[in-house]
Amino acid sequence: GEDVEQSLFLSVREGDSSVINCTYTDSSSTYLYWYKQEPGAGLQLLTYIFSNMDMKQDQRLTVLLNKKDKHLSLRIADTQTGDSAIYFCAENPARGNTPLVFGKGTRLSVIA
Amino acid sequence: DGGITQSPKYLFRKEGQNVTLSCEQNLNHDAMYWYRQDPGQGLRLIYYSQIVNDFQKGDIAEGYSVSREKKESFPLTVTSAQKNPTAFYLCASSAGLNEQFFGPGTRLTVL
Repeated sequence: GEDVEQSLFLSVREGDSSVINCTYTDSSSTYLYWYKQEPGAGLQLLTYIFSNMDMKQDQRLTVLLNKKDKHLSLRIADTQTGDSAIYFCAENPARGNTPLVFGKGTRLSVIA
Repeated sequence: DGGITQSPKYLFRKEGQNVTLSCEQNLNHDAMYWYRQDPGQGLRLIYYSQIVNDFQKGDIAEGYSVSREKKESFPLTVTSAQKNPTAFYLCASSAGLNEQFFGPGTRLTVL
């Protein structure tokens, strides 16, 4: 079956880099996504990467994709207190007519 | 502004009552979804709909029902058969089965 796995917690100091990791199961996934959820709110799409890419950078965010190991990471440079949230990884299974599969989320705590 | 709205933000239900959560989108998306989120848990898919007048069960459909009579609207009814309905409910929509856009959520509490 499908399973997207993430570590549940990460704590970093303000100004440091944060790296949130994710492993997925469908090697044919076409797109992989990162979402951010602030307390009491819905999920906000942060960024995504197409499966034929190794890296994507968007301001402070860098996404790395290792297709061989089915490993995805999100790096947040110069982490700020406003980055404290839950971050969800999601894959788009290639078999079609199937919704995104989400991980359980990583809670990022930024210490001032 | 285009987006997804959910109402109400907070909802209280007595045991044995059915309640309906509203979800509306003006993004012209074909697909809509309902998820349940419990503290410390990820998202669990309840129902989804890829087109008007059609919907599919997700992983935890028991005790819930939906309808999709209009493209813009996908209401979720939590029935009395759902034994533990207290949770945060999220609605989402997408153009096809691609990236989903989420509403702000409804927090349901059973008294």
